[in-house]
Amino acid sequence: NAGVTQTPKFQVLKTGQSMTLQCAQDMNHNSMYWYRQDPGMGLRLIYYSASEGTTDKGEVPNGYNVSRLNKREFSLRLESAAPSQTSVYFCASKDRLFGGELFFGEGSRLTVL
Amino acid sequence: GQQLNQSPQSMFIQEGEDVSMNCTSSSIFNTWLWYKQDPGEGPVLLIALYKAGELTSNGRLTAQFGITRKDSFLNISASIPSDVGIYFCAGPPAGGNKLTFGTGTQLKVEL
Repeated sequence: NAGVTQTPKFQVLKTGQSMTLQCAQDMNHNSMYWYRQDPGMGLRLIYYSASEGTTDKGEVPNGYNVSRLNKREFSLRLESAAPSQTSVYFCASKDRLFGGELFFGEGSRLTVL
Repeated sequence: GQQLNQSPQSMFIQEGEDVSMNCTSSSIFNTWLWYKQDPGEGPVLLIALYKAGELTSNGRLTAQFGITRKDSFLNISASIPSDVGIYFCAGPPAGGNKLTFGTGTQLKVEL
């Protein structure tokens, strides 16, 4: 059972480089989310997609862009990475916007030098 | 943004001990969720609470939805080594659809 799959699991970037984190879910869920996790801060929502074709900003969207490529896939792009974006990134999905259980991927650890 | 404060931030307990942790909010929540994150993994849902005063168990875990709707509690009885991890409370604030996560309680169990 794959669930939510994120790639890559680890990445090191230099300041100013760009990269895309990929996320795919095989549970036919409508809603998908990107969170970042920093020590002492819990998980903070970056962007979410309530359904295919829609995306909305979360709590900390600055410096990021997202694409809901189809129902399965939701990518997160850093156009010009900054050291403040060093974090662990989690993709998650659930079957509906209101209620329902949120399923998480294993995380992608990003370091920006 | 909305803040959920969890306490304690971390705890180091002996195997077999009972554990209590709580989560408080400045605003009302209609749903409280408790997640556990194992090292190197994403969080996994443990318990969901939907009504003020509700008490729900999942094995050795028991969680309560506070009467004021601004807090929730999680208890773990007879802790074992695999209870190690970070425990997060979460919920959508009343009228909202996005989950807010607490700052986490890190549990370490001494054999």
